[in-house]
Amino acid sequence: DGGITQSPKYLFRKEGQNVTLSCEQNLNHDAMYWYRQDPGQGLRLIYYSQIVNDFQKGDIAEGYSVSREKKESFPLTVTSAQKNPTAFYLCASRQEGHNLNVEYFGSGTRLTVT
Amino acid sequence: EDQVTQSPEALRLQEGESSSLNCSYTVSGLRGLFWYRQDPGKGPEFLFTLYSAGEEKEKERLKATLTKKESFLHITAPKPEDSATYLCAVRDDYGGSQGNLIFGKGTKLSVKP
Repeated sequence: DGGITQSPKYLFRKEGQNVTLSCEQNLNHDAMYWYRQDPGQGLRLIYYSQIVNDFQKGDIAEGYSVSREKKESFPLTVTSAQKNPTAFYLCASRQEGHNLNVEYFGSGTRLTVT
Repeated sequence: EDQVTQSPEALRLQEGESSSLNCSYTVSGLRGLFWYRQDPGKGPEFLFTLYSAGEEKEKERLKATLTKKESFLHITAPKPEDSATYLCAVRDDYGGSQGNLIFGKGTKLSVKP
């Protein structure tokens, strides 16, 4: 099955710890994205990558870091510098230049930091 | 500034009661308007993309339409399984968004049997 796999589904961490969220896609898409979703708010872009070994900050990158060493993988690290890390995190991918121009999403990781 | 506003925030319908969800947008140059469906605790599922005013797309009980300033998602004779949050997003060709998606806050639809 082609798609985007996020793991784990639920993640619990103590305040002050860094945590890494996994995102893998087998759609052969060039571009990958990380969003954060909070109740009552629209999806907000954290980081995106249009090609391997390159990535750009989105609207709310502070306290987060990413890497893109392989086309299939785009992990997100939530660092201790992120002031309010508890949220639902969504990974997406898109084929650059494709006529449909659609972003497809994974099933999400719910992170709870106490 | 690019903006996407969805209304209403929440909508309760009886099964079979048709209605419409609204998505109004402000962008410099529209490169696509997207509708997604999101079930609780899951990622958004792609429904439609529209590119130019006057365009319409249909899928089962859903029909999406587009004007120069807004899009409507029409739901005809809804069923309880249509209950979900519907998200609207636009891709801007110009400006600060750098071609990334800008999302509205969504409309939470509940359909009672």
